[in-house]
Amino acid sequence: EDKVVQSPLSLVVHEGDTVTLNCSYEVTNFRSLLWYKQEKKAPTFLFMLTSSGIEKKSGRLSSILDKKELFSILNITATQTGDSAVYLCAVFYPNAGGTSYGKLTFGQGTILTVHP
Amino acid sequence: GAGVSQSPSNKVTEKGKDVELRCDPISGHTALYWYRQSLGQGLEFLIYFQGNSAPDKSGLPSDRFSAERTGGSVSTLTIQRTQQEDSAVYLCASSSRGTGGNTIYFGEGSWLTVV
Repeated sequence: EDKVVQSPLSLVVHEGDTVTLNCSYEVTNFRSLLWYKQEKKAPTFLFMLTSSGIEKKSGRLSSILDKKELFSILNITATQTGDSAVYLCAVFYPNAGGTSYGKLTFGQGTILTVHP
Repeated sequence: GAGVSQSPSNKVTEKGKDVELRCDPISGHTALYWYRQSLGQGLEFLIYFQGNSAPDKSGLPSDRFSAERTGGSVSTLTIQRTQQEDSAVYLCASSSRGTGGNTIYFGEGSWLTVV
């Protein structure tokens, strides 16, 4: 059965700290791994990773994928209270036939709380 | 609108009643997804429509759950004889043709509470 596991499930830090969120997966026909930030209801897209060892970076956030060990990490440096959210990891795998359509399987999320 | 629109945003219903949740995808998006998120949990896949293909219903938890998509656009998720464990946020997403999932956009969700 395909599964995505995130750790830790929750994390409490103070502003300025650096955090690392983990995501491991076991899926067949892997295409890409995605990270989302969920503050209220709608998850918002952060990164999509398809190749091992290539870091994606956006401001204080960065992420990398290891397709051999089947995991990804999301780093947030110099955390701010606005980073408080649920961070979701998902694996995308395409429809049979290798089309560009497919579906996402999500992990359970990491709840990040950043205190002033 | 420019984004995925869902209604109602909040719904409180009595156990045993039927509910309908609506999703208007982004115009031109041919793929539409329904996910469910219980409190403190990740997103659980329910059903997926793509164009005129048969929907992928593999995530529907029971035969009380059904969904349809009319005219390749608006979708309705129906839950019959609701139970308390159905209480969750129901998220809809739509997608255009993409290269790996980064074209999937989510709506704000419908929060269902069964009392």
